[in-house]
Parts: sequence; C-alpha cells; structure tokens
Amino acid sequence: EAGVAQSPRYKIIEKRQSVAFWCNPISGHATLYWYQQILGQGPKLLIQFQNNGVVDDSQLPKDRFSAERLKGVDSTLKIQPAKLEDSAVYLCASRRLSGQSYNEQFFGPGTRLTVL
Amino acid sequence: KNQVEQSPQSLIILEGKNCTLQCNYTVSPFSNLRWYKQDTGRGPVSLTIMTFSENTKSNGRYTATLDADTKQSSLHITASQLSDSASYICVGAGNQFYFGTGTSLTVIP
Repeated sequence: EAGVAQSPRYKIIEKRQSVAFWCNPISGHATLYWYQQILGQGPKLLIQFQNNGVVDDSQLPKDRFSAERLKGVDSTLKIQPAKLEDSAVYLCASRRLSGQSYNEQFFGPGTRLTVL
Repeated sequence: KNQVEQSPQSLIILEGKNCTLQCNYTVSPFSNLRWYKQDTGRGPVSLTIMTFSENTKSNGRYTATLDADTKQSSLHITASQLSDSASYICVGAGNQFYFGTGTSLTVIP
C-alpha cells in the first residue's frame, strides 16, 4: 500500500510570510496527526483528526497555526504569519483508528521548513 | 506528568558491534511502548510495539525489552551496520503518544 504523502518536502520563507503543507494519509486511515519536530527533539503533536473532526488541538498555536481535513481524507496545515521559531520538520502521520491503541502509526517523510 | 526519557543522547559505535539504548517512561494510563527508527530527512518508522504483558520483542537485529514494573525499556542492536545510523525514538502510548527526544546513533566503519 502507498505510504503517507507530504508536500512540499522543503520550504524556505521569510518571517511574517505564510506557508501551507499538504498531507495525504494512507487510504482507509481514519486518524491523521500533524507533528512539529524541532532539530534534536522528538515529535510534538500539533493536532489530531478523526475523520474530519478534531480530537486534540491543545498544543496548536491557534493564533498562527490552522489545520483542516474537510473531506476526512487529505489535510492541510497552515502557518500565518511564520516566526523564526517555527523552523522545524512538520510530520504527518496516520492510523486506522485511534481507539485501538495498538494500531501502528505511519509517518510521512515530513516537510522541512526554514524561516529566515 | 507523562513523559519519556531516553539515554544516551548520542552514541558512536564501530560497525559490527552491539549496542543498547535506554528508555524510561511515565505514562498513565499505559497501553504500549514503541520504538521507532528515524533516518536523517525521513519520517520515523516503527521497529517494535510492546504491551505491558510483553517483555521482549524482536525485529531482525533489533530486540526490545520492556519492564512494566520499573517502567523501563531498552533497544538492543546486534552486529551493527552502517545503515543503522539514525535516531531511535522511544514512544509511550496511553491516551496519546508521548515521544522521547531520541538517541542519535552513528555507526562508523
């Protein structure tokens, strides 16, 4: 089966600009996650979707970050305006169902964002 | 506070040698403990998943152990290869996933 797809792979922007990332999860996976991974750290959850509903967005900086999964399939994450500290890799992951906690989580290759 | 701590932060070993990475977790409620391998510029890939009733699980040259009483896990890599150079992330799963900061392993010829 095809893996989690993300685009773009790399993005360089100046601070205060806007940027959007796209994720297409594995077919049939109801749960989708966006993580932020700063260099040298583990991934930090930004938002979790179950189908097209938000399960957890408690760590999403809502003043500048937004995410949507309108049709319960692919998802976009937006940053507006970007700050220097947003420089990180943004990982998308998907699972079949979040209620079955043993289910494996599959990660995409990530989008590396550099804010100048 | 739910958290996962890993040690060492980084490790350099010679090709062919064995090594062991450590993970201490405080996750409640606890469901399972996962180890991921993350190559540079790639997303994490699952190596093992263990529930509290499992105390060891292998995936090729990777063997993970879990002690649910002491809340410790280890990942042992046997006969290391250059391709093992990566970051290894320990994850405690409960109501959500709790990620460690990873151990960066470098295997040198």
